Amino acid sequence: EVQLVESGGGLVQPGGSLKLSCAASGFTFSGSAMHWVRQASGKGLEWVGRIRSKANSYATAYAASVKGRFTISRDDSKNTAYLQMNSLKTEDTAVYYCTRPPYGDFISYWYFDLWGRGTLVTVSS
Amino acid sequence: EIVLTQSPGTLSLSPGERATLSCRASQSVSSSYLAWYQQKPGQAPRLLIYGASSRATGIPDRFSGSGSGTDFTLTISRLEPEDFAVYYCQQYGSSQLTFGGGTKVEIK
Repeated sequence: EVQLVESGGGLVQPGGSLKLSCAASGFTFSGSAMHWVRQASGKGLEWVGRIRSKANSYATAYAASVKGRFTISRDDSKNTAYLQMNSLKTEDTAVYYCTRPPYGDFISYWYFDLWGRGTLVTVSS
Repeated sequence: EIVLTQSPGTLSLSPGERATLSCRASQSVSSSYLAWYQQKPGQAPRLLIYGASSRATGIPDRFSGSGSGTDFTLTISRLEPEDFAVYYCQQYGSSQLTFGGGTKVEIK
């Protein structure tokens, strides 16, 4: 079955760190860019960042709101992408989705046809 | 960063009616790299439209997309009960991907 499953969410204090995982199955993970998108409760979708495939040097990019605090990585041997979140703020509280574009790692096709169910991150003291 | 503004914020309609949702970009979206998603409560978004006007696999033909440049439209020709949801546009024409704020289509 083609799917993405996020894990690692939870409650963390402001200034703390958390690492999310996204386990992929049913498709060629190593050839796909992987993106993270978040959604605060009752709010809209916000793109967080992405990591490209090995063929594109695992290049990463981030939204301005998380740049310098969040890091995306991947382990192709485990078909898993990660989102390391440091210096967390209350405004980072959201459901975090990992998502995949339909045609691997081509910039022209960076819309998303496969989403995980999301994992909730709550930043609160 | 390209800012996407969706209007209206909420659309109150009855089943069988036509829904017209707007997505306006702060600058031109190259090559009509604009997608639309549907999201229901507690669920992940579902891809409806890509390339401004191409329907994703399995999407009914009552959903259609149009537009170019800075103005895009999602039309639902006749609303079915399962279409009441929130709809988002997303541009992928620049390296910083962005989403619109969403339009909620609610039952009148």
